[in-house]
Amino acid sequence: DQQVKQNSPSLSVQEGRISILNCDYTNSMFDYFLWYKKYPAEGPTFLISISSIKDKNEDGRFTVFLNKSAKHLSLHIVPSQPGDSAVYFCAARSKTSYDKVIFGPGTSLSVIP
Amino acid sequence: DAGITQSPRHKVTETGTPVTLRCHQTENHRYMYWYRQDPGHGLRLIHYSYGVKDTDKGEVSDGYSVSRSKTEDFLLTLESATSSQTSVYFCAISESGQEGGELFFGEGSRLTVL
Repeated sequence: DQQVKQNSPSLSVQEGRISILNCDYTNSMFDYFLWYKKYPAEGPTFLISISSIKDKNEDGRFTVFLNKSAKHLSLHIVPSQPGDSAVYFCAARSKTSYDKVIFGPGTSLSVIP
Repeated sequence: DAGITQSPRHKVTETGTPVTLRCHQTENHRYMYWYRQDPGHGLRLIHYSYGVKDTDKGEVSDGYSVSRSKTEDFLLTLESATSSQTSVYFCAISESGQEGGELFFGEGSRLTVL
């Protein structure tokens, strides 16, 4: 059973608009979350992270929001650019096993020019 | 870019044959990971290592073994490959297993088991 879920396999957004990618988790021991971006035929690259002691973290056009009570986080990209078209993975570390990093199934984002 | 090299990058093999994938790093990072990527499943952790000769299982370890005899090398072995192990395999490294220790990934090894 997946501990990290990304229920939208794909998302299309117009260039310049906001992209919102969602992630839900089931393990209440998760307390550190990461987002990765992946282009075809390349390895994933780190994008942004958030600790459970925060509810928001911002880096340029990318903002991650964390709602611990709902076990939900979201990645906002504003404004979206065609180069943002990629697969986005949500990932989590557990406070009981920080060594392991568990990933979700990913959401494929297409930004339409 | 993090110095991670995976080999081979592409391999086609037959069911029942042994296969070894190699991950080599030049960053001297303590942690190394093997993931597989499959449609609908994303990245699933197979095994990871937290030091030389120190390894542990991930989410989907059945049918796989690993070894780490040197800091820089982490080997993934399929003792007897099956068609269900057709996948893209990614190696990752991390300086720390703690909060803030991001993973850096290699470019992947595509394995096809016929």
